[in-house]
Amino acid sequence: DAGVTQSPTHLIKTRGQQVTLRCSPISGHKSVSWYQQVLGQGPQFIFQYYEKEERGRGNFPDRFSARQFPNYSSELNVNALLLGDSALYLCASSLGVRSGYEQYFGPGTRLTVT
Amino acid sequence: QKEVEQNSGPLSVPEGAIASLNCTYSDRGSQSFFWYRQYSGKSPELIMFIYSNGDKEDGRFTAQLNKASQYVSLLIRDSQPSDSATYLCAVMDSNYQLIWGAGTKLIIKP
Repeated sequence: DAGVTQSPTHLIKTRGQQVTLRCSPISGHKSVSWYQQVLGQGPQFIFQYYEKEERGRGNFPDRFSARQFPNYSSELNVNALLLGDSALYLCASSLGVRSGYEQYFGPGTRLTVT
Repeated sequence: QKEVEQNSGPLSVPEGAIASLNCTYSDRGSQSFFWYRQYSGKSPELIMFIYSNGDKEDGRFTAQLNKASQYVSLLIRDSQPSDSATYLCAVMDSNYQLIWGAGTKLIIKP
């Protein structure tokens, strides 16, 4: 079975631009979570979606938004990009959102803002 | 502020020895505990999870959980050079969200 897929792999944007990152979960998984990982740090939670509804939001500004589609794939949008948004953006999928459901990560999207 | 603390390392271990990685967490409502391995430039890979107090073994890996002390550890037996990576501890809090440590860099010396 295919694992979590993300696109694009790499992206270079200019300050002030907008970006959309995409994620397809493992078949059968209904929950998708998004994380930002800056070099040298652990992932920081951005959003969690389950059955197309937002189930959790981390401490990120409103420039960050996301949605989940009926096929459980997801998009993360970031508006008005800042240099500090440069990071590895990770998508993880799981069967559900409660204790006992492990999260599996995609390869990530490396975003560079210049 | 919910926190997960790990020693950043690097932790250097001879090949064939036991590597011991530790993690403490602040949220007593945490229910699930995970260890991920991350190679440089790659995404985290789940290697162990534990939900109950005590030990859980999977091959060369053993996860240990002590909820009273809010402590979780990972032991790697017969360490191999391919085990060299950053090991991330993640804790599912009472809101079912993962809180992550900054990771411990492990170096296995041949």
